[in-house]
Amino acid sequence: DTAVSQTPKYLVTQMGNDKSIKCEQNLGHDTMYWYKQDSKKFLKIMFSYNNKELIINETVPNRFSPKSPDKAHLNLHINSLELGDSAVYFCASSQVGLSSGEQFFGPGTRLTVL
Amino acid sequence: AQKVTQAQTEISVVEKEDVTLDCVYETRDTTYYLFWYKQPPSGELVFLIRRNSFDEQNEISGRYSWNFQKSTSSFNFTITASQVVDSAVYFCARQPPPTAGKSTFGDGTTLTVKP
Repeated sequence: DTAVSQTPKYLVTQMGNDKSIKCEQNLGHDTMYWYKQDSKKFLKIMFSYNNKELIINETVPNRFSPKSPDKAHLNLHINSLELGDSAVYFCASSQVGLSSGEQFFGPGTRLTVL
Repeated sequence: AQKVTQAQTEISVVEKEDVTLDCVYETRDTTYYLFWYKQPPSGELVFLIRRNSFDEQNEISGRYSWNFQKSTSSFNFTITASQVVDSAVYFCARQPPPTAGKSTFGDGTTLTVKP
């Protein structure tokens, strides 16, 4: 029943570790996104994939690597975690096609780096 | 960068008051899409409305209404007779045509409705 799901919901880890966040959508959308929301609630796009192809890659450190094995999944792997990576990460999907549809967001993953 | 500006960082009202959240955007595109999203204290992001740049008709949905004015590049959101459950962070966003670029979110307006 869930439209966009993310796992895990909470992630607490030490600096320097590598971690992954998984995202899946069952809406049949062709575009998926990763956003970072910092402690001030500012929402910034990180990546966007359309039909498994990377179309937007903001100025994100290359420690962040998205992977889209198929249209329904967009995972985020983070290497060598830093304190500044602590944030809530949202996955989203939308049907772009001929027009830009609204985005459906996952519940978010709260990442805390100690 | 084509910015979206939500000048009001925080607004506090008392229940039953009307409140308007401002959104001003920059764009070089002739076709674009505007959105409002709500983020209640529980943290999820919920879509509220989408407007195409070629459709300036205002919209009303229950207590919510939106005023889109291309001449001033504004897409304001009004809540009539506010309720405590309206307390949330509200984001305005602009998206270009498909695959033509990234979506841009405003910094959000935190609305607190007091009983």
